[in-house]
Amino acid sequence: QQPVQSPQAVILREGEDAVINCSSSKALYSVHWYRQKHGEAPVFLMILLKGGEQKGHEKISASFNEKKQQSSLYLTASQLSYSGTYFCGTEPSGGKLIFGQGTELSVKP
Amino acid sequence: DTGVSQDPRHKITKRGQNVTFRCDPISEHNRLYWYRQTLGQGPEFLTYFQNEAQLEKSRLLSDRFSAERPKGSFSTLEIQRTEQGDSAMYLCASSSSTGITGELFFGEGSRLTVL
Repeated sequence: QQPVQSPQAVILREGEDAVINCSSSKALYSVHWYRQKHGEAPVFLMILLKGGEQKGHEKISASFNEKKQQSSLYLTASQLSYSGTYFCGTEPSGGKLIFGQGTELSVKP
Repeated sequence: DTGVSQDPRHKITKRGQNVTFRCDPISEHNRLYWYRQTLGQGPEFLTYFQNEAQLEKSRLLSDRFSAERPKGSFSTLEIQRTEQGDSAMYLCASSSSTGITGELFFGEGSRLTVL
């Protein structure tokens, strides 16, 4: 039931782009994306709903393919502050949010 | 608004002891979640409440773990007869939702070390 994220880790130079993928075996109500920096709590980035509605971050975009139960997070022109671990959270039924294992992103100067 | 607060932030206990964690959510939030996170892993769902009702819980909570939210405000998570494998960060989160889950606001977590 846990969504699968890929890749597990990414290393970027400042200004480069990255894509993080999230895949679920179950039909989904929504997909959430969170970022967690070392020693801190996860912080909300974006939610994608069935039907295409998105709510979230200005500089980060995402897609949600409901038929394939997949979501992708797009980080463009990465900044040092983007470093951290990114988690997708999937909602197979209203209320319960299940997180993936995470993708560690490191942005180097 | 002070956000989600958790207490204690750190707890060291001996194997076999009981521990209890408290979570105070954002005041107007009706949903409250408990997760467990170990190093290098994503948050593992334990349970969630909508107001005072516990709507879903993982199989883990049928054993030594129990959670309550007696008046729909703060919540407690109790672990009985702790084991070394219980060592983890216990995260609480709250949201204002009725149907589909909205943004989760996480607390700083309670770190448990079982010796």
